[in-house]
Amino acid sequence: AQTVTQSQPEMSVQEAETVTLSCTYDTSESNYYLFWYKQPPSRQMILVIRQEAYKQQNATENRFSVNFQKAAKSFSLKISDSQLGDTAMYFCAFMKRRKTSYDKVIFGPGTSLSVIP
Amino acid sequence: DGGITQSPKYLFRKEGQNVTLSCEQNLNHDAMYWYRQDPGQGLRLIYYSQIVNDFQKGDIAEGYSVSREKKESFPLTVTSAQKNPTAFYLCASSHGRGVENEQFFGPGTRLTVL
Repeated sequence: AQTVTQSQPEMSVQEAETVTLSCTYDTSESNYYLFWYKQPPSRQMILVIRQEAYKQQNATENRFSVNFQKAAKSFSLKISDSQLGDTAMYFCAFMKRRKTSYDKVIFGPGTSLSVIP
Repeated sequence: DGGITQSPKYLFRKEGQNVTLSCEQNLNHDAMYWYRQDPGQGLRLIYYSQIVNDFQKGDIAEGYSVSREKKESFPLTVTSAQKNPTAFYLCASSHGRGVENEQFFGPGTRLTVL
């Protein structure tokens, strides 16, 4: 069974600084997707970034980028130029990649990030 | 605008009562999901449905029931058999197949048992 671990329950960062959130996962699959979701105080879950395991290039979305280390089964999220609106719970998630059938998403326990003015 | 709606936002229930949480989507997604979120924890899958009139149990289905009579709707009933129902409930949907299965989430329902 797949598992997702986030070893940092809480983190804080000064506004405009850079912060990295850690995520590790365990799987025997070779084809899969990894996601970072953000849940702000409003509790609306929002997809931040997605990485396809067969792509070596790390995904980026504006100030958000990932460091995907497939051999190490590591998938960290880097937030550059942190803003107050980045304050949220961040969830790392894993999903097996299949062409024709569904598979569920496995979520980590989350990291609570606070951006300090 | 396309999206997922959940109602109500807050729900209070007396012990021993069944209660139904609504989830509607107009994204034309095939798959829909229900998650439970407890304080300080991640999301746990309750039920999911890949197609109309079909659904499967997730990791914590005991004490819950669902139906999928329409593609757009996936209501969740929290029954009196659920021993600790106070939690935040999230509904999600996705295309359900293909190479991208990103899940889109609704705003959630906070259920409190009095």
